Amino acid sequence: EAGVAQSPRYKIIEKRQSVAFWCNPISGHATLYWYQQILGQGPKLLIQFQNNGVVDDSQLPKDRFSAERLKGVDSTLKIQPAKLEDSAVYLCASRTPFQSNYGYTFGSGTRLTVV
Amino acid sequence: QQPVQSPQAVILREGEDAVINCSSSKALYSVHWYRQKHGEAPVFLMILLKGGEQKGHEKISASFNEKKQQSSLYLTASQLSYSGTYFCGTEIGYKLSFGAGTTVTVRA
Repeated sequence: EAGVAQSPRYKIIEKRQSVAFWCNPISGHATLYWYQQILGQGPKLLIQFQNNGVVDDSQLPKDRFSAERLKGVDSTLKIQPAKLEDSAVYLCASRTPFQSNYGYTFGSGTRLTVV
Repeated sequence: QQPVQSPQAVILREGEDAVINCSSSKALYSVHWYRQKHGEAPVFLMILLKGGEQKGHEKISASFNEKKQQSSLYLTASQLSYSGTYFCGTEIGYKLSFGAGTTVTVRA
């Protein structure tokens, strides 16, 4: 089966600019996650979708980050305006069924550098 | 709530064994283990759901204690391909939180 697709792979922007990341999960995976991984740390959950509804966004900095999952398939994560501390790898993952004995499948991630 | 992993790093020679520990202050629904190689995405290794469960594939295995608050990952007779950063993920409610990771370096 095809994996989780993410684009772009790399992005360099100046602070205060905006940026968007795209994710296409594995077909049929109802649950989609966005994680932020800062260099040398474990992934940190930003937002979790079940189909096109938000399950958890408690750690999403809502003043600058937004995410949507239209039609319960693709998802977009946006940062506006970006700060230097947003430099990280943004990982998208999907899973099915919800909370089961299957693990997460991660995409290759988008490496964001804010200068 | 982020789990605590130990050690932070371990260096092995091929054929040696290692144990990575993961603990939580609360009872968990499950524990996941992932391996991430430099510049790549984390790859799922295994999930443990039941207290007292042990699971393994070839020479990498894991256990989940009876109280479901601690898990250990065992690398047996390590190979060069085992190098990478290992993360445990602990599931409470619907949220999976990752530890800070354990970097494993296997040398010839």
